[in-house]
Amino acid sequence: AQTVTQSQPEMSVQEAETVTLSCTYDTSESDYYLFWYKQPPSRQMILVIRQEAYKQQNATENRFSVNFQKAAKSFSLKISDSQLGDAAMYFCAYRSAVDGGFKTIFGAGTRLFVKA
Amino acid sequence: DTEVTQTPKHLVMGMTNKKSLKCEQHMGHRAMYWYKQKAKKPPELMFVYSYEKLSINESVPSRFSPECPNSSLLNLHLHALQPEDSALYLCASSQGSYYYGYTFGSGTRLTVV
Repeated sequence: AQTVTQSQPEMSVQEAETVTLSCTYDTSESDYYLFWYKQPPSRQMILVIRQEAYKQQNATENRFSVNFQKAAKSFSLKISDSQLGDAAMYFCAYRSAVDGGFKTIFGAGTRLFVKA
Repeated sequence: DTEVTQTPKHLVMGMTNKKSLKCEQHMGHRAMYWYKQKAKKPPELMFVYSYEKLSINESVPSRFSPECPNSSLLNLHLHALQPEDSALYLCASSQGSYYYGYTFGSGTRLTVV
């Protein structure tokens, strides 16, 4: 079975600084997708960034980028120029491309605090 | 329209009540999901409705029952709930491809008294 591990329950960053959130996963599958979701106190989960396992190039979305290390099964999220609005719970997620791909496995989450 | 709309936003119900949660999307997504989220925990999958087929997480008790009247609507019927069922219930939808991830609604905060 697949697992997703986020080893940092909480992280803190100064406004305008850079922070990296860690995520590791375990799978025997070769075809899958990885995601980072953000859940602010307003509680709606928002997709931040995604990565296909077959792509070596790391995904980027504006201030958000990932470091995808397939062999190490690592998928970290880097937030550059942190803003107060980045404060939220961040979930790393794994989505298999088999069995219809309907099951997404979420990590336990990392709470990010942004200091002004 | 790029939203998933959930109603109500808050619900308080007694253990003998019957209530329903509603989820609606007009993005043409062919898969819709119900997730349960306890405080400070990740979401847990309850049901998937995809291409008119229902998939169930077998650990979900029968006091929860999903209904999909059409491809844009997904309801969750609640009956004889327990206090431990109090949680945030999130609805999500996705396109057919795995690549796109989920679009989530803002959730229904359910309290069972």
